[in-house]
Parts: sequence; structure tokens; C-alpha cells
Amino acid sequence: KNQVEQSPQSLIILEGKNCTLQCNYTVSPFSNLRWYKQDTGRGPVSLTIMTFSENTKSNGRYTATLDADTKQSSLHITASQLSDSASYICVVSSASKIIFGSGTRLSIRP
Amino acid sequence: DVKVTQSSRYLVKRTGEKVFLECVQDMDHENMFWYRQDPGLGLRLIYFSYDVKMKEKGDIPEGYSVSREKKERFSLILESASTNQTSMYLCASSGTGVGYGYTFGSGTRLTVV
Repeated sequence: KNQVEQSPQSLIILEGKNCTLQCNYTVSPFSNLRWYKQDTGRGPVSLTIMTFSENTKSNGRYTATLDADTKQSSLHITASQLSDSASYICVVSSASKIIFGSGTRLSIRP
Repeated sequence: DVKVTQSSRYLVKRTGEKVFLECVQDMDHENMFWYRQDPGLGLRLIYFSYDVKMKEKGDIPEGYSVSREKKERFSLILESASTNQTSMYLCASSGTGVGYGYTFGSGTRLTVV
């Protein structure tokens, strides 16, 4: 069964700290993996997209990694800011399916 | 940048009403999608469309229908709204190839009372 599991479900960290969000998947065959940021009450916005051959992709303070062998991805946020408070959704695509994770809700405290 | 515009941010409707949610994209994308998002359930696909007048059922099509008369516009219709259809509805579009160029609208928060 194609699945995308994210952990943790929710996370609270202090402003300025780093954090890492996890995404494990069983989607096959694999096409690409995206990380989205969704602010409360808004639609998701794409942060990174990675295909099979890419191990790391950065977008400012966001760095995504992909291990296609173990079917794991992580999103690392450096020097967190209050505006990073959001849900982060991992989305894995095969040729014919798009599977969404349930997301990690991140809260940044001042 | 691709823009996906949903006509309403917030909507309140009565049980039994017919509800139209409109979505327009401006990048000539072939594929358009309607999702609903509920706490703890993530995004669930309702319907999608590959082309004008083409539509395919997603994972939870019951109680919904769609219309795609023009390439840029994809409408979601709740034939007879029910309280369990209270949710956040998200429209998305993409270019050729499933999973590429996937862009979301800002969402419509629908409350059925």
C-alpha cells in the first residue's frame, strides 16, 4: 500500500533553534518528493522538490534530504523564525499517484 | 509564477443547499485537482481533471461533482450540502506529468450549518 508517514505530528521549538522533520514513504515506483509549507488558513506552498537522483535540496534556511534506498526524507530548518510556524507536508509522487503525508505542525515560540 | 485562484476564502451554507466552489489557474495547465483537508486526515483527493470536459473520481467523490468547461476553470459542486462536508477545500493545478508543477490555491473554508 502506498503510504507517506510524517513525524513528529507536532513540534514546538524556541525561536533561533534548528529542527528536523521526518518523512518515510512506501510509494512505488517513486517519481519525486516535495515538501510544502502551509500557513494556517492558507493553501500549501512548495518548498523543495527532489527526484530519485537528488540527495539534498536547499531553499534558504530549509534543506531537504532524500535517501531513496531507505525511502526516507527529512526537512531541516536552520535558525528558526516565528514565521516558520506552519504545517509542513511531505508529498510523494509515483507515475500515477500523488500521496500526501498528514503533516507536521511546527510552532516557534519567542 | 503560476496563480491558482479560488473564488471564496470563507463560505457558510445551509444544509441541503447547492454549493459551487470555483477555481481558476492562469498557466494553461492541463491537470486540475480538488482536495479537502481535515484535521488528522491530511489532504484527500475528491476529483481531478486531465483536460476540458474530462474528469476522474478521486478517493472521496461521494456527494460531489465537478465541471471543467474551460481549461483554466475547474468547479467543485456540492449537490446538497451536508454538515460533514464542512472542511477546507483546496484546488491545485499542474503541468504535464503527475506530480510536477503542482500549485495550490489559498483554499476555501466551507462551513455547512
